[in-house]
Amino acid sequence: GAVVSQHPSWVICKSGTSVKIECRSLDFQATTMFWYRQFPKQSLMLMATSNEGSKATYEQGVEKDKFLINHASLTLSTLTVTSAHPEDSSFYICSARDRASGGRIDTQYFGPGTRLTVL
Amino acid sequence: SQQGEEDPQALSIQEGENATMNCSYKTSINNLQWYRQNSGRGLVHLILIRSNEREKHSGRLRVTLDTSKKSSSLLITASRAADTASYFCATDAPDRGSTLGRLYFGRGTQLTVWP
Repeated sequence: GAVVSQHPSWVICKSGTSVKIECRSLDFQATTMFWYRQFPKQSLMLMATSNEGSKATYEQGVEKDKFLINHASLTLSTLTVTSAHPEDSSFYICSARDRASGGRIDTQYFGPGTRLTVL
Repeated sequence: SQQGEEDPQALSIQEGENATMNCSYKTSINNLQWYRQNSGRGLVHLILIRSNEREKHSGRLRVTLDTSKKSSSLLITASRAADTASYFCATDAPDRGSTLGRLYFGRGTQLTVWP
């Protein structure tokens, strides 16, 4: 089946540094990827939609200058948390839609997530 | 804000029992999906039900959808210890735009199945 990977799986950083998280579709092309964040024992919150070759679309309340998204190729989207602070500590999950899925809604695959801890 | 709300928030049962989780949502939808998440891991898609469907089965899973009440239920029959996980419903939200794949998740139900 289709696989989405994320790197790193976990990261610990100091407050004020920037952290880049990669999301890759390994055996399919993804024109659209999605980024979510999840706090402990809570739901996934959609942050933004990443579109290959164009700007990301951010959900209301998500700071685009804080969470930079780049979707440079059909298999890679990156999320950069800039000037990270402890409140940015969370579990970040990406998902990708198979380009070949056309109108099928259910062909979306999730990555394993990245645990970010900001000290 | 999130679309779906699951209840119960936590459910603890014995192996062999059935587990029922409910989800309510707020706006119109085209489809509703259920996902499973093991602790600290990504999501696994379980089943999708479209707005014009009322019930769907997949193995030990049974999903119902009542669009008039804006609610769905997930039934896991003959549960196993390996079913222990968090279960989330997710809806699209066509009123919020046309990008396919945008999903809005409920808070989830933590299911624990004791052997």
